[in-house]
Amino acid sequence: DAKTTQPPSMDCAEGRAANLPCNHSTISGNEYVYWYRQIHSQGPQYIIHGLKNNETNEMASLIITEDRKSSTLILPHATLRDTAVYYCTTGSARQLTFGSGTQLTVLP
Amino acid sequence: DTGVSQDPRHKITKRGQNVTFRCDPISEHNRLYWYRQTLGQGPEFLTYFQNEAQLEKSRLLSDRFSAERPKGSFSTLEIQRTEQGDSAMYLCASSLANRDHEQYFGPGTRLTVT
Repeated sequence: DAKTTQPPSMDCAEGRAANLPCNHSTISGNEYVYWYRQIHSQGPQYIIHGLKNNETNEMASLIITEDRKSSTLILPHATLRDTAVYYCTTGSARQLTFGSGTQLTVLP
Repeated sequence: DTGVSQDPRHKITKRGQNVTFRCDPISEHNRLYWYRQTLGQGPEFLTYFQNEAQLEKSRLLSDRFSAERPKGSFSTLEIQRTEQGDSAMYLCASSLANRDHEQYFGPGTRLTVT
């Protein structure tokens, strides 16, 4: 059974913020939320992770709800190179398993 | 390029044959992971090593699969008696032990079993 639920696809206009949601209603108290992305024909790339506080790095921001049952990845100014499949997962970092993710298409 | 490398990039084999894949991690990374990815799905964890020790294995890793990391550097994944269901992309990743959330993935080896 999937631990996370993501919409299969989303579009975003170039230069605008992309907000990618993820539901993880069965997350345990000490489990982190991880986001990776996979550009076509490449291996996945780490984006960001968090436990309960919002996090920001040079790539994105992660907003986790207070009950931790969902989160949103924010790409503040999407570019064409951000077109990829975005994966949200939870659990042990040593045993990451990803669902089918969200295909984000950034439109010119 | 000091990223994770995998060899070969593509492998076509006949059912019943054995295949071996190699992964060279980032040199200072002591953790190495193997994943399998089928079409339209995200990667699934298979196994991971800390240095030369194989610490965890997924139930997906049947007895026909074996992985080694003999000197704590490169790793090999062998599949014996391949089946058509083994057709997939096999991904390798590496990380530092204290930063295992930030895994660096290689480009993968695409296996096709005919």
